[in-house]
Amino acid sequence: DSGVTQTPKHLITATGQRVTLRCSPRSGDLSVYWYQQSLDQGLQFLIQYYNGEERAKGNILERFSAQQFPDLHSELNLSSLELGDSALYFCASSVLAGGSDTQYFGPGTRLTVL
Amino acid sequence: GQQLNQNPQSMFIQEGEDVSMNCTSSSIFNTWLWYKQDPGEGPVLLIALYKAGELTSNGRLTAQFGITRKDSFLNISASIPSDVGIYFCAGSPIRAGGTSYGKLTFGQGTILTVHP
Repeated sequence: DSGVTQTPKHLITATGQRVTLRCSPRSGDLSVYWYQQSLDQGLQFLIQYYNGEERAKGNILERFSAQQFPDLHSELNLSSLELGDSALYFCASSVLAGGSDTQYFGPGTRLTVL
Repeated sequence: GQQLNQNPQSMFIQEGEDVSMNCTSSSIFNTWLWYKQDPGEGPVLLIALYKAGELTSNGRLTAQFGITRKDSFLNISASIPSDVGIYFCAGSPIRAGGTSYGKLTFGQGTILTVHP
């Protein structure tokens, strides 16, 4: 158990809908990262938050957004969903924000868009 | 996006054999990490490497951070059935100024199958 929690574990929805994925980092970790894992693209970095502020952005679509709240939990919002958004979404956390900081991953949310 | 070149893509071995996999990049990395992922689960950190040339062990696992900072390898000795899974290398690329991004770049993964 990494100490990172994600809910829900599974999500099935229809095209055009909007969903919210939730992540609670390990106790004491200030950074939260979101990754998408699909069969054809592998694990891809989406976005990072550090202590409530956006820190780095990766290949995140404009239809997707995230935020980190004062209690440090984070939410990833996916809107106008398309079939291709079906994937595993992982949250990771680390103590600080730098590249040498070890990231611990949550169990993921499997999103299926029908 | 940028990806690390991880080899081999898959391995089928007998229980008790040693395993070796590696990752290479065209860019310099500040950190190399090795993760294992079981189906439907999140990646679990196996070994973290922070300095060029560093050799670190974790039980039957040994990993090294290449001297050029552009590669890393992972060895598993005396494999057992529970070693089955997908192994990923990941790294933090360095940006201008010498610091590194917080985001991780992942290799494509090595699928390991161990036959009893």
